[in-house]
Amino acid sequence: DTEVTQTPKHLVMGMTNKKSLKCEQHMGHRAMYWYKQKAKKPPELMFVYSYEKLSINESVPSRFSPECPNSSLLNLHLHALQPEDSALYLCASSQDAGRTGTYGYTFGSGTRLTVV
Amino acid sequence: ELKVEQNPLFLSMQEGKNYTIYCNYSTTSDRLYWYRQDPGKSLESLFVLLSNGAVKQEGRLMASLDTKARLSTLHITAAVHDLSATYFCASYAGKSTFGDGTTLTVKP
Repeated sequence: DTEVTQTPKHLVMGMTNKKSLKCEQHMGHRAMYWYKQKAKKPPELMFVYSYEKLSINESVPSRFSPECPNSSLLNLHLHALQPEDSALYLCASSQDAGRTGTYGYTFGSGTRLTVV
Repeated sequence: ELKVEQNPLFLSMQEGKNYTIYCNYSTTSDRLYWYRQDPGKSLESLFVLLSNGAVKQEGRLMASLDTKARLSTLHITAAVHDLSATYFCASYAGKSTFGDGTTLTVKP
């Protein structure tokens, strides 16, 4: 299995809702990442988990809360988001945070989030 | 803070022509990645360049890395329409920093 699976693919949520994004990989990768990408912009790193521990938080607002329940799963819990948080949220994984192997990061297909 | 600059940001090419995309980065970096992104889709890893002088080729795309000049290039040979996409480089120094991307359009 060489994929990173993200669910849901699309999500529309109100500013008072609580929702979660899910990411799963079965490649044995020990580093997992959340990126945010606005239209026509590069991906922006949000969080890095290395061996199931949060190693990088790019000063992301607390309305975004990451969770890594085990080495294969990564969640992003969303609460009280703003319309400007609407974006494509990408999950990625790599062998570990210091090594990317031959193929770099493997990205999931993303969750397109719209906050209304 | 690591900064990554790509140029050009937009590139319109005719099929069959050659062109090069440039990626400059500001500080010492462990490695350099190239990705492709089709509209509305995720990122696909194209190349990982790990050392000075590294050159990798896949089909009509060839990437190289000059760590002394802090420069990577993505060369496109005899472009075809299927290469139309946005290409990102990303440099790694503790974490990946992406360039702004080059949107390539290949016209018949």
